[in-house]
Amino acid sequence: GDSVTQMEGPVTLSEEACLTINCTYTATGYPSLFWYVQYPGEGLQLLLKATKADDKGSNKGFEATYRKETTSFHLEKGSVQVSDSAVYFCALSERNTGNQFYFGTGTSLTVIP
Amino acid sequence: DTGVSQDPRHKITKRGQNVTFRCDPISEHNRLYWYRQTLGQGPEFLTYFQNEAQLEKSRLLSDRFSAERPKGSFSTLEIQRTEQGDSAMYLCASSFSLDTEAFFGQGTRLTVV
Repeated sequence: GDSVTQMEGPVTLSEEACLTINCTYTATGYPSLFWYVQYPGEGLQLLLKATKADDKGSNKGFEATYRKETTSFHLEKGSVQVSDSAVYFCALSERNTGNQFYFGTGTSLTVIP
Repeated sequence: DTGVSQDPRHKITKRGQNVTFRCDPISEHNRLYWYRQTLGQGPEFLTYFQNEAQLEKSRLLSDRFSAERPKGSFSTLEIQRTEQGDSAMYLCASSFSLDTEAFFGQGTRLTVV
């Protein structure tokens, strides 16, 4: 069945450090891929998405590229800020499975000044 | 439209009581999802509606759980005879169509004592 595996946390970085959170997926067809972010006390917000192979999603300095050959969708940011501290979830949805969303377990990021 | 709204935000109930949660999706969205999130985990799919039709239910959704979306607008999730294991964050999300992102509400946190 469909599933998402993402890097375990927690991750602690200094401000302006580079970030990579790994995400790999298993799917029976051609899923759409997403990164959601959850700030403390808030709901999930879409950060970026990609709907087909080689697409790059980007938002707020974050990027992720849909790599079909490695079934990956790693999240990257060149210079993190304290305000990026949150939990990040990789997710997929697929027509074959009724478009429900499958989420990874989340990666907690703390950025220290 | 202010997004997906859920009510209540918090609910504390005694074991064995029934609880009902409400979700108001974004108005033009025809798909509505319910998820459950426990501490340190990603959201787990419970059920999904397209308009008023409940198209899919997870095996996580025991017979104590029931969801409705009577007019294809708001939805309710009822849990009967609550158990301590039901304590979690219940998330509602809506989306417009296939291959689009889901927008999440802030969730209802249920504590069963």
